[in-house]
Amino acid sequence: GAVVSQHPSRVICKSGTSVKIECRSLDFQATTMFWYRQFPKQSLMLMATSNEGSKATYEQGVEKDKFLINHASLTLSTLTVTSAHPEDSSFYICSARRVDGGSQYFGPGTRLLVL
Amino acid sequence: GDSVTQMEGPVTLSEEAFLTINCTYTATGYPSLFWYVQYPGEGLQLLLKATKADDKGSNKGFEATYRKETTSFHLEKGSVQVSDSAVYFCALRSGGGADGLTFGKGTHLIIQP
Repeated sequence: GAVVSQHPSRVICKSGTSVKIECRSLDFQATTMFWYRQFPKQSLMLMATSNEGSKATYEQGVEKDKFLINHASLTLSTLTVTSAHPEDSSFYICSARRVDGGSQYFGPGTRLLVL
Repeated sequence: GDSVTQMEGPVTLSEEAFLTINCTYTATGYPSLFWYVQYPGEGLQLLLKATKADDKGSNKGFEATYRKETTSFHLEKGSVQVSDSAVYFCALRSGGGADGLTFGKGTHLIIQP
């Protein structure tokens, strides 16, 4: 149990377009989901924390108008990269925490390439 | 702010060798400490954790002890297998109540037969 999926696994888009990434908890309900970003050979950096039914909390330096997060249900959170630029190219990873608390379960990640 | 430093990789060992991957941290308060493993093509999986000083986390032959005096959480395994080849991440969760994790850069472990 405790499987988290992400879709798409990789996406290539043109500069200026928007890209939506989905994160789903497949076999459990998650009140809290987290979005991380990972650059090559770097650590995962927490971007934001989203709680079901409320606004996401963004880490310092992360533009909330650029990275739109929606956590509409207990099993789905989405990250939309708006007006993407080449510097937004990265590996985006989500994680979900069960309703009853405890460990975070990670998705396999989405690789975004902006041309 | 919080930070995690772990040894750079790749680390290449022969099967049945002893493994140590060093991890040190900087944090306010009393963080919880974690080791995550990422196998090729898969998401991060929790390997083990410790929530307070002197706790020892263990799983699948791996273990790590929360050392507050040295702010360390080194990962060890007595005899590694080829199937242990993966990227290992040390992480902490601040004791201040924030739930997001602070990660190290990851250590790529390669075990040769």
